[in-house]
Amino acid sequence: NAGVTQTPKFQVLKTGQSMTLQCAQDMNHNSMYWYRQDPGMGLRLIYYSASEGTTDKGEVPNGYNVSRLNKREFSLRLESAAPSQTSVYFCASSARGQGHGYTFGSGTRLTVV
Amino acid sequence: KQEVTQIPAALSVPEGENLVLNCSFTDSAIYNLQWFRQDPGKGLTSLLLIQSSQREQTSGRLNASLDKSSGRSTLYIAASQPGDSATYLCAVMDTGRRALTFGSGTRLQVQP
Repeated sequence: NAGVTQTPKFQVLKTGQSMTLQCAQDMNHNSMYWYRQDPGMGLRLIYYSASEGTTDKGEVPNGYNVSRLNKREFSLRLESAAPSQTSVYFCASSARGQGHGYTFGSGTRLTVV
Repeated sequence: KQEVTQIPAALSVPEGENLVLNCSFTDSAIYNLQWFRQDPGKGLTSLLLIQSSQREQTSGRLNASLDKSSGRSTLYIAASQPGDSATYLCAVMDTGRRALTFGSGTRLQVQP
């Protein structure tokens, strides 16, 4: 099925460990995004990529890095995980232009202990 | 900085009732506004998208309106059903950042 695929779905890390969250879309969308969702705070933008080869910081970029590997894939890396990064992470994509909405992945639930 | 507020934070209604969810945003320079549904432990599903030039959009029992000048949108759900129970999120796409800014959501419970 067409859409946005995130891996892994669940992950437990120890403080200081690193990991990469993977995201891929097969809708030929130009733009891709990483959000985190914390209880009672809605979704907050971490990084986004308006097109292949470009990335920009969002509202909460500290502690994260991203790579837009190609048009399909956009990965999020935690270099040294902290308990404050315990959250649910969502990847999304959208076609360029005003009339196009977002498609979200099913999320990665990350716990840092 | 765009800020999106949703009221109420939670709502419980009996089945069959018509209801309105509210969303307000601080910066009227938006490209579009979207309403999403999120079921517990799941991702987000897009319900309705209203372009900045539009006043409303309808899909089945759902109707969303947009008043850009006042920074408000409402989601109207007609004849609510237990299957409508979920969290509803409002999000706006800014002209400058080309990314969505979300409200914190309204958690809806429809009682059978």
